[in-house]
Amino acid sequence: KAGVTQTPRYLIKTRGQQVTLSCSPISGHRSVSWYQQTPGQGLQFLFEYFSETQRNKGNFPGRFSGRQFSNSRSEMNVSTLELGDSALYLCASSIGLAGFQETQYFGPGTRLLVL
Amino acid sequence: GENVGLHLPTLSVQEGDNSIINCAYSNSASDYFIWYKQESGKGPQFIIDIRSNMDKRQGQRVTVLLNKTVKHLSLQIAATQPGDSAVYFCAENRYGGSQGNLIFGKGTKLSVKP
Repeated sequence: KAGVTQTPRYLIKTRGQQVTLSCSPISGHRSVSWYQQTPGQGLQFLFEYFSETQRNKGNFPGRFSGRQFSNSRSEMNVSTLELGDSALYLCASSIGLAGFQETQYFGPGTRLLVL
Repeated sequence: GENVGLHLPTLSVQEGDNSIINCAYSNSASDYFIWYKQESGKGPQFIIDIRSNMDKRQGQRVTVLLNKTVKHLSLQIAATQPGDSAVYFCAENRYGGSQGNLIFGKGTKLSVKP
């Protein structure tokens, strides 16, 4: 099975712009979660989508949003970019069984640099 | 707030030695724990997991120990190899919470000397 794929792998934006990142989960996985990784804050949970619905959300401002499509592919969007948004954005997928902890498998991430 | 943390930020071992990476958690409601390995430029890679109804689980060259009494988790790597050099994260998830919400520790960087 192919793993989690993320596009693009690298991105450079300037402050005030917006960006959209894409994630394709492992085939058969219906849950997609997004994480932000920075040297200072480590790995932090952004949000999780399941069956096109946001099922859980971390503590990030409303500039961070996401969506999921019927084929389970997911996108996340960051509007009005700030310098502090520079980070590695990771997507993880799992089967998505309700109320059951499952292994999450991560993609390689998208490295975003905001200038 | 309650989170998963690590005792040591870096660990250096000789090739062939055993490595032990530690992790402490503070929430007694946490009942599912995962170890991930992250190599430079890559996403976290699943190593092994353990549920709170177990105190030990073994994989290939790796063993995870869970001590619920002191809220401590450890990852043991046997016969450490240069390819094991990476940052290791523990993560927790709580039953009833969304499985998407993993709480990660800060990570331990393992360096293996040849």
